[in-house]
Amino acid sequence: DSGVTQTPKHLITATGQRVTLRCSPRSGDLSVYWYQQSLDQGLQFLIQYYNGEERAKGNILERFSAQQFPDLHSELNLSSLELGDSALYFCASSVGLAGPQETQYFGPGTRLLVL
Amino acid sequence: AQSVAQPEDQVNVAEGNPLTVKCTYSVSGNPYLFWYVQYPNRGLQFLLKYITGDNLVKGSYGFEAEFNKSQTSFHLKKPSALVSDSALYFCAVRPTSGTYKYIFGTGTRLKVLA
Repeated sequence: DSGVTQTPKHLITATGQRVTLRCSPRSGDLSVYWYQQSLDQGLQFLIQYYNGEERAKGNILERFSAQQFPDLHSELNLSSLELGDSALYFCASSVGLAGPQETQYFGPGTRLLVL
Repeated sequence: AQSVAQPEDQVNVAEGNPLTVKCTYSVSGNPYLFWYVQYPNRGLQFLLKYITGDNLVKGSYGFEAEFNKSQTSFHLKKPSALVSDSALYFCAVRPTSGTYKYIFGTGTRLKVLA
């Protein structure tokens, strides 16, 4: 158990809908990262937050947004869902931002199925 | 563009034999290097990392990795494979300048045969 929690574990929804994925980092971790893992594209970095501020952006669609709250939990919002958004969504956390001791610890993931 | 390559989609090895999972990278400077393992229906678990120093890094579950700067490689190794090592292995690189983004390889599926 990494100490990173994600809810829900599974989510089934329809095209055009909006969903929110939640992540709680390990105790003491200030950075939260979101990744999408699909069969054909591997693990894709979406976005990183550090202490409430966006710090790095990857291949995140405009239909997707995220935020990190004062209690450091993070939410990833996916809207106008398409079939191709079906994937595993992982959250990871690390203590800080850029130091050599930084290691990401991953949550168990949320499996999203868009029908 | 910065990238990480895991040239083998799958590696098969007999139980008890040594295993190697390959990773090469194209990232400027002196990046930090990581290996993660993913078991079915689970998140990625951290195995080991290289920051600086000794080129041979030891990690969890008997795994180690060898850093080679001239070949920009960071191959994962284990002297004696177990059936329970069967999983998906990811190499990741974190540049040390310009970006905080981690770059992951596409993953290598390791199958250890009894």
